[in-house]
Amino acid sequence: NAGVTQTPKFQVLKTGQSMTLQCAQDMNHNSMYWYRQDPGMGLRLIYYSASEGTTDKGEVPNGYNVSRLNKREFSLRLESAAPSQTSVYFCASSASGEGTQYFGPGTRLTVL
Amino acid sequence: QKEVEQNSGPLSVPEGAIASLNCTYSDRGSQSFFWYRQYSGKSPELIMSIYSNGDKEDGRFTAQLNKASQYVSLLIRDSQPSDSATYLCAFKGGAGGSNYKLTFGKGTLLTVNP
Repeated sequence: NAGVTQTPKFQVLKTGQSMTLQCAQDMNHNSMYWYRQDPGMGLRLIYYSASEGTTDKGEVPNGYNVSRLNKREFSLRLESAAPSQTSVYFCASSASGEGTQYFGPGTRLTVL
Repeated sequence: QKEVEQNSGPLSVPEGAIASLNCTYSDRGSQSFFWYRQYSGKSPELIMSIYSNGDKEDGRFTAQLNKASQYVSLLIRDSQPSDSATYLCAFKGGAGGSNYKLTFGKGTLLTVNP
């Protein structure tokens, strides 16, 4: 089992460019999450999907959109990247909102 | 507003000592509490969960929960250099909150010196 996979691992964008971060899990989990982690700020929830077909905003949704493509995949899109979106992005999944969340390896994004 | 406060680090302990990590939360309705460990450059992983008042032990780790005082702590006995990491506390549930998401603290960096 691969668990939670994320692509890409690293990305450098210029201000105004767009990109999509991909996340997939093979644990048959219903719930999936996108976080960002900045130095001194801990993990902050961007969006989550409690189950296939639903998505909800988290703490810091501005500038992002998400798509729950199917039960396995949950993508995060930056339509017009800004330097403030420079961060490490983690995808996670859990079985129907269980507190045990399994995290992917992360994507390190730099916006110039 | 839900908040989680962790004791400011970094925390440095000698090998073999007890490391004590503390966390307070503001939402009295919170039901479930978790400790995640994150090694530098890696993703977080769950090490302990606790739901009831009192202590819960798992090997060298003990989680303590006191809902009346709104704090949760993690004790690491016989600390090892391999325990050096950032420890994140998190809670789930609470008044008006979704039962599907966690709220994380900012983390405490622990260094265990050989």
